[in-house]
Amino acid sequence: EPEVTQTPSHQVTQMGQEVILRCVPISNHLYFYWYRQILGQKVEFLVSFYNNEISEKSEIFDDQFSVERPDGSNFTLKIRSTKLEDSAMYFCASRAVEPGYTFGSGTRLTVV
Amino acid sequence: SQKIEQNSEALNIQEGKTATLTCNYTNYSPAYLQWYRQDPGRGPVFLLLIRENEKEKRKERLKVTFDTTLKQSLFHITASQPADSATYLCALEEGSARQLTFGSGTQLTVLP
Repeated sequence: EPEVTQTPSHQVTQMGQEVILRCVPISNHLYFYWYRQILGQKVEFLVSFYNNEISEKSEIFDDQFSVERPDGSNFTLKIRSTKLEDSAMYFCASRAVEPGYTFGSGTRLTVV
Repeated sequence: SQKIEQNSEALNIQEGKTATLTCNYTNYSPAYLQWYRQDPGRGPVFLLLIRENEKEKRKERLKVTFDTTLKQSLFHITASQPADSATYLCALEEGSARQLTFGSGTQLTVLP
């Protein structure tokens, strides 16, 4: 069964540093998303990406965040200057036209 | 935006019994409602979706109902097994990018 692959599985970074989280969505999917889950809390939408541009973003997705699909297969989330409160699980997801998402296993980001 | 409530934070049942989980939403009835399973430290896994014109949907030991009058979906696992122990998330799509809004989940434990 096709999978969404995320790397790294765990990233520890110093506050103020930049991090890039990487994802390889399912190849024939058209819609790509990033979600995050702070420990013990709900899964929250960050941003959606379609046709090589952001289609919608939440209020969490402020200027310190950016997304890219640099080469047609990878999909990245960059956090420019990490804060302690950015510590969370970050999930990449993709879907085809039909509903029903496929999520990756996530990257656990720890900001120290 | 929609608010989703999953009434039980945790549910313990005996192996072999039927688990019933509840999901309520507050605003307009969505075109469909989705259920996901999440294991600790992993991404959500899509299980089932039910459309607004469907009263019931089944997949193996899983059954989902959708009552747009009550604004409620019920998720049943029959003949439950310890391997069914996980957090079950209710979700619906919102916005132009059809991003998911999740409930906080119900942690199910099936006792042997």
